[in-house]
Amino acid sequence: DSGVTQTPKHLITATGQRVTLRCSPRSGDLSVYWYQQSLDQGLQFLIQYYNGEERAKGNILERFSAQQFPDLHSELNLSSLELGDSALYFCASSGRYNDEQYFGPGTRLTVT
Amino acid sequence: GDSVTQMEGPVTLSEEAFLTINCTYTATGYPSLFWYVQYPGEGLQLLLKATKADDKGSNKGFEATYRKETTSFHLEKGSVQVSDSAVYFCALSDRIGGAQKLVFGQGTRLTINP
Repeated sequence: DSGVTQTPKHLITATGQRVTLRCSPRSGDLSVYWYQQSLDQGLQFLIQYYNGEERAKGNILERFSAQQFPDLHSELNLSSLELGDSALYFCASSGRYNDEQYFGPGTRLTVT
Repeated sequence: GDSVTQMEGPVTLSEEAFLTINCTYTATGYPSLFWYVQYPGEGLQLLLKATKADDKGSNKGFEATYRKETTSFHLEKGSVQVSDSAVYFCALSDRIGGAQKLVFGQGTRLTINP
């Protein structure tokens, strides 16, 4: 158990819909990262937040957005969903001076 | 940009065989290097890391040495077990200031037969 929690575990929704994925980092970790894992693209970095502020952006679509709240949990919002958005979405966290990232169990999103 | 290339899988071995999974990287700076393991239906677990040239990371019988001259970080284990069956990812940490991301290889699926 990494100490990173993600909810929900599974999500099935229809094209055009909007969903929110939630992540709670390990106790004390200020950085939260979101990754997408798909069969064709592999593991791709989406976005990083540090103590509530966006720090780095990767291959995140404009239809996707994220935020980190004062209690340090983070949410990833996916809108206007397409079939190609079906993937595993992982959250990870790390400490302030540590580049080790610890991953949650993931949310499997299926868009039908 | 930075990138990681892993040997193509899947890899199938018999129990107690020697394992090598090749990993090479391209980076402009001096990244930390990692191996993560993903067991079926689970998230990624950090297996080992190395932060500078000639460092050797090790954990659970697995080892990898940071080779700057060959830009490699190959994963090895002397005697694999059925429980080592999983997908293994090589990754580098791309850090600029306070921003950081992991860049992953494509993953190598390992199956160990009894």
